[in-house]
Amino acid sequence: NAGVTQTPKFQVLKTGQSMTLQCAQDMNHNSMYWYRQDPGMGLRLIYYSASEGTTDKGEVPNGYNVSRLNKREFSLRLESAAPSQTSVYFCASSPPRTGRETQYFGPGTRLLVL
Amino acid sequence: GENVEQHPSTLSVQEGDSAVIKCTYSDSASNYFPWYKQELGKGPQLIIDIRSNVGEKKDQRIAVTLNKTAKHFSLHITETQPEDSAVYFCAASGAGSYQLTFGKGTKLSVIP
Repeated sequence: NAGVTQTPKFQVLKTGQSMTLQCAQDMNHNSMYWYRQDPGMGLRLIYYSASEGTTDKGEVPNGYNVSRLNKREFSLRLESAAPSQTSVYFCASSPPRTGRETQYFGPGTRLLVL
Repeated sequence: GENVEQHPSTLSVQEGDSAVIKCTYSDSASNYFPWYKQELGKGPQLIIDIRSNVGEKKDQRIAVTLNKTAKHFSLHITETQPEDSAVYFCAASGAGSYQLTFGKGTKLSVIP
């Protein structure tokens, strides 16, 4: 049981390039989330997916798109990367039986945009 | 929306002493309050949580207290050990909400 996995672990992009961050969970969780973490800012929600087939904006969605590919996978896409998107990105998921609020995090993707 | 404030931002304690981290929240409808520990280079890990129908919860050396009237909750770590050194985050969530609002974190250093 790997929990929440994220790929890649680290990525360097040039301004204007695009990329997709991948996230998968093997815990049969219904809900999945994407956060970004910046120094002194804590964790801020970008997008979430309450269940397969649905996605909703969080606190900081501008510049990002998401796809809930199936129950296991939730991807985050940067269409045209900007230096302000340099951050650490975390994916999380939550199980249905203990309440939607309990979230379990992946190891993160460190993104540097030059 | 919900706003969560966390204090202090840094905390240094001697090994064996206790550490206390405090958070306040703004939305009286919030009813779920988890605490996460984040070690360097890793994702946040849930260490304890409390719901609004409970005033205190303990798990070995870790305890969380909740004061709904004052809208604040605290993490207490007793008999601290060097492996407790990490960044700790509090968070709050409303009834039926998918969104957790996080505090900005407390960097705890336990000095051997």
